[in-house]
Amino acid sequence: AQSVTQLDSQVPVFEEAPVELRCNYSSSVSVYLFWYVQYPNQGLQLLLKYLSGSTLVKSINGFEAEFNKSQTSFHLRKPSVHISDTAEYFCAVSHMNRDDKIIFGKGTRLHILP
Amino acid sequence: DGGITQSPKYLFRKEGQNVTLSCEQNLNHDAMYWYRQDPGQGLRLIYYSQIVNDFQKGDIAEGYSVSREKKESFPLTVTSAQKNPTAFYLCATGQSLAKNIQYFGAGTRLSVL
Repeated sequence: AQSVTQLDSQVPVFEEAPVELRCNYSSSVSVYLFWYVQYPNQGLQLLLKYLSGSTLVKSINGFEAEFNKSQTSFHLRKPSVHISDTAEYFCAVSHMNRDDKIIFGKGTRLHILP
Repeated sequence: DGGITQSPKYLFRKEGQNVTLSCEQNLNHDAMYWYRQDPGQGLRLIYYSQIVNDFQKGDIAEGYSVSREKKESFPLTVTSAQKNPTAFYLCATGQSLAKNIQYFGAGTRLSVL
C-alpha cells in the first residue's frame, strides 16, 4: 500500500527567507507525485506535478520540487517566500499505470512571519 | 465560466436530519470524488465515481451516500447515521484515475446545530 508522510504540520518562516516543506512517500511501484495548495476556506489547487522526465519540476510562482527516487522524497522549496504564500500545502501520490486513488498527506501549514 | 461548483458554501444540520451537498462540473471529466477534511487530518476519501451510474466507497463511506445519474453531477448525502458530520467537504473531478490530476471545488462547510 502506498502512503504519504509530511513531516511538519506547521512551518513558520520569515518573509523573503527560503523554505522547504518535506514529503516522503512509500510505494512498491512507480508513482506520480503532486503538490497542492489550499488557501483559507478554499478548495485545493494543483501547484506542481511529477509524471515523468526531469526530476525537478517548477511552478509559475517560484516553487519547485525534486523527485528523489532513492530517498522516496518530493520536497517542496522556494528560495524567497512572500506573505501571499500563506496557505496549507498537501503532498499527494498515485500509482503509475494503475487505476488507483490519489493518496494525500496530512498537510503542512506555512506561516509567513513579517 | 468553467469549473466545479459546490453548493451551498455553508450548511447546518439538525440532529437526525439528512442533508445533501451539491457538486456540479462543466469540465467534461469522467471521474468525480468527495473528500472530507478535518483539521490536521488531511483529506479522506468518502466516495468516488469513474463513470455515470457507477460509484465506489472510499475510506470513510459509512454514514454517507451518493448518486451519479449525470456526468455533470455527483451529490453527496450526509445521513443521520453519520454521528460526527462537522467538517469541510470537498468535491473534485479528474479525467481519469490513472494520472490523477484532480481539480477541486471551493468546498462546503457543514456544521451541526
